[in-house]
Amino acid sequence: DAKTTQPPSMDCAEGRAANLPCNHSTISGNEYVYWYRQIHSQGPQYIIHGLKNNETNEMASLIITEDRKSSTLILPHATLRDTAVYYCIVRVPWGKLTFGTGTRLQVTL
Amino acid sequence: GAVVSQHPSWVICKSGTSVKIECRSLDFQATTMFWYRQFPKQSLMLMATSNEGSKATYEQGVEKDKFLINHASLTLSTLTVTSAHPEDSSFYICSARDMTDSNQPQHFGDGTRLSIL
Repeated sequence: DAKTTQPPSMDCAEGRAANLPCNHSTISGNEYVYWYRQIHSQGPQYIIHGLKNNETNEMASLIITEDRKSSTLILPHATLRDTAVYYCIVRVPWGKLTFGTGTRLQVTL
Repeated sequence: GAVVSQHPSWVICKSGTSVKIECRSLDFQATTMFWYRQFPKQSLMLMATSNEGSKATYEQGVEKDKFLINHASLTLSTLTVTSAHPEDSSFYICSARDMTDSNQPQHFGDGTRLSIL
């Protein structure tokens, strides 16, 4: 599977939008972009995934660039409970989820 | 939404004992289950992949005789850490997926914190 690059950490004020970037410049045509997050001492939580179109659900929005080499996860109104490590993963439909180091998002008052 | 239940959530035992961890998919059929391990301040590392009714596939460097995986039904997989030692202390996390639907995401349990004294 293609690798991803994420900033190691980010801060966001509560109530503001959190925009988490991810680079996946070697992504292949059949690989999806998945986002998970892990709150301390819990298992990863699925957030959203997409192939090439932008996606939105009750948790977040996923913006994928036209060339698919990067994407951004948007949490529209971050709360303290969104403090977590966010993982961007690319994977073919039947492939394994391989976790990188992710982005540690700290939401502050 | 889909739920994966893992039990126990934490366990402390003496060195040399074997520990069994259960992973259940509660509202979907998990044709494939995955076991991960996470050491403090590190990311999740995939240990093995198991398909219902067949032998597990282990990642390089993971001892299959030490980490026994059974996936006897579409809703239950177990990981047994045999003859556990302090270096096996870690956070073990299972994950499940319905592989008949490629658009379904993979869901995770809340993990088992294993401490070997």
